[in-house]
Amino acid sequence: DIVMTQSPDSLAVSLGERATINCKSSQSVLYSSNNKNYLAWYQQRSGQPPRLLISWASTRESGVPDRYTGSGSATDFSLTISRLQDEDVAVYYCQQYYSVPFTFGGGTKVEIK
Amino acid sequence: EEQLVESGGGLVQPGRSLRLSCTASGFMFGDYAMSWFRQAPGKGLEWVGFIRSKVQGGTTEFGASVKGRFTISRDDFESIAYLQMKNLKTEDTAVYYCARGRYYAQHWGQGTLVTVSS
Repeated sequence: DIVMTQSPDSLAVSLGERATINCKSSQSVLYSSNNKNYLAWYQQRSGQPPRLLISWASTRESGVPDRYTGSGSATDFSLTISRLQDEDVAVYYCQQYYSVPFTFGGGTKVEIK
Repeated sequence: EEQLVESGGGLVQPGRSLRLSCTASGFMFGDYAMSWFRQAPGKGLEWVGFIRSKVQGGTTEFGASVKGRFTISRDDFESIAYLQMKNLKTEDTAVYYCARGRYYAQHWGQGTLVTVSS
């Protein structure tokens, strides 16, 4: 199984500042035949179901603000929230869908400092 | 608007069975794979499994913790996906979510709570 490791477990950022969450996979999730990274990012606000933010490591979902940016390749990925706002307070998860069983990182809790 | 509504959760004793339903609306259900995820109280997300669309063969895949105990089926006419859970264990206690998609989950339901306890 591919193990997904997120860091940090939590971070507190001032409003308007940048938050960066890291996600590392135990093996590459880059599929060489199509050069796509099989990685997604989700946001889960308190008491809500998860919401897909980014697929294929960097493709923003429709309706997701452009302050969310996914980057990285192979085994190292990041999610950056460029100008933190109140509504960004949530837990963020990365997920690999390169191979079954699909696996999630442990989550990163983002709070306002 | 795409919508997914889970139902069928509740309190069940260890060793018993339960079937969850996921009723879809607002999109062509039969064109999509459907997935199930779960989240134990206060914990992170866990992938349970998915069922491919009929065009993709309608076959299923499962995580190791539920393989052999859980099955997924679908009724494309009624736009419902089912998660049949057998021989439930206390560690299966979680909110169960259905979602549209095979790889990444593009749309999620609100979830239904399953509590396995004697």
